[in-house]
Amino acid sequence: NAGVTQTPKFQVLKTGQSMTLQCAQDMNHEYMSWYRQDPGMGLRLIHYSVGAGITDQGEVPNGYNVSRSTTEDFPLRLLSAAPSQTSVYFCASSYWGGYYGYTFGSGTRLTVV
Amino acid sequence: AQTVTQSQPEMSVQEAETVTLSCTYDTSESDYYLFWYKQPPSRQMILVIRQEAYKQQNATENRFSVNFQKAAKSFSLKISDSQLGDAAMYFCAYRSTDSNYQLIWGAGTKLIIKP
Repeated sequence: NAGVTQTPKFQVLKTGQSMTLQCAQDMNHEYMSWYRQDPGMGLRLIHYSVGAGITDQGEVPNGYNVSRSTTEDFPLRLLSAAPSQTSVYFCASSYWGGYYGYTFGSGTRLTVV
Repeated sequence: AQTVTQSQPEMSVQEAETVTLSCTYDTSESDYYLFWYKQPPSRQMILVIRQEAYKQQNATENRFSVNFQKAAKSFSLKISDSQLGDAAMYFCAYRSTDSNYQLIWGAGTKLIIKP
């Protein structure tokens, strides 16, 4: 029972490079989301999905893209990395509504130089 | 828009004693959910406890309990018999009832356990 798996755990990018953060869950959760965590702040929602083929923007979507082709996978793409995107990224999933809380991946620490 | 405030950036407690972490929130909604998450140095975000706003009874999970004051919009976490493994960042989060099910997060409280 893996829960939510995020890869990679650490990544260093140069400004302007693109990359994809991977997220996979094996709990058959309908809802998946991406958050970023910056020092001194709570997590902020980037994008979310309520099911395969359905995605929408969160609070801070600029510079990021997502897709949801299967229930299990929800990758986050950085289109052209900027230093402001240096952060820790979390993927989270839940059953519809998230009433019982969200299951988080272990996070990806991304540094853009 | 909803906001969540954790006014204590850092708290410390002696091992085996009790500590209370504060959280206040602002909302115009009447039905919502509140959570406390623990983030140890491993970075993993772990659900500690949840509270449903329509339930007056305070939630408890073993050594963890909450004091939920809906009128005051307060949601504090009490940790009894503190253990070294409780050392972590603790985040209070509010679950919106709007369509994106977004969690609104406080800035966190760093809990230090003194042996």
